[in-house]
Amino acid sequence: EADIYQTPRYLVIGTGKKITLECSQTMGHDKMYWYQQDPGMELHLIHYSYGVNSTEKGDLSSESTVSRIRTEHFPLTLESARPSHTSQYLCASSESSRVNTEAFFGQGTRLTVV
Amino acid sequence: AQTVTQSQPEMSVQEAETVTLSCTYDTSENNYYLFWYKQPPSRQMILVIRQEAYKQQNATENRFSVNFQKAAKSFSLKISDSQLGDTAMYFCAFMRGSNYKLTFGKGTLLTVNP
Repeated sequence: EADIYQTPRYLVIGTGKKITLECSQTMGHDKMYWYQQDPGMELHLIHYSYGVNSTEKGDLSSESTVSRIRTEHFPLTLESARPSHTSQYLCASSESSRVNTEAFFGQGTRLTVV
Repeated sequence: AQTVTQSQPEMSVQEAETVTLSCTYDTSENNYYLFWYKQPPSRQMILVIRQEAYKQQNATENRFSVNFQKAAKSFSLKISDSQLGDTAMYFCAFMRGSNYKLTFGKGTLLTVNP
């Protein structure tokens, strides 16, 4: 089982609230990713980190922001949640190695904004 | 930009039979990796099989094998002796060798019927 954890698993929150989705991995991976996925649908990359203090936007524009102050931690923040942010958010990590490229996924956070 | 296309939104197969899921991709890079990931209902995403673009030999992993056609940019997954536990969403994914950025296709929902 992968050592990557997301909290909370489920979150129901009111419009306008600030939220932070947590993602931590204990594998020492330098690459970390955030994907947004509507139920039964494709994964859209919204944020990507090469390593500490290095982040960039993904392929899908998102109002969320991320930070990478420590290797193991990659939180995602929404300053003001809206119903359009309702979705599942998946965090993943991988090693930068030609030999080992597998990405490991957390269990996801299902966010509902009411 | 890289794109990954899965043209089969849904497929079904009888238990013990063989099924093939299709995936094509578009890239101008020469150094990349291809993956098939499995997402069972309400469960964590896990790696099924991976293929390095520089390897000509098709990857196999027990009942799972790929048909990697580099010139045609095709990467299909064959599941032999299908089992009920194979029921899941299957995602084809592309990883750039230059920055390890991971992009997914839209997925194929596979149902294995008893």
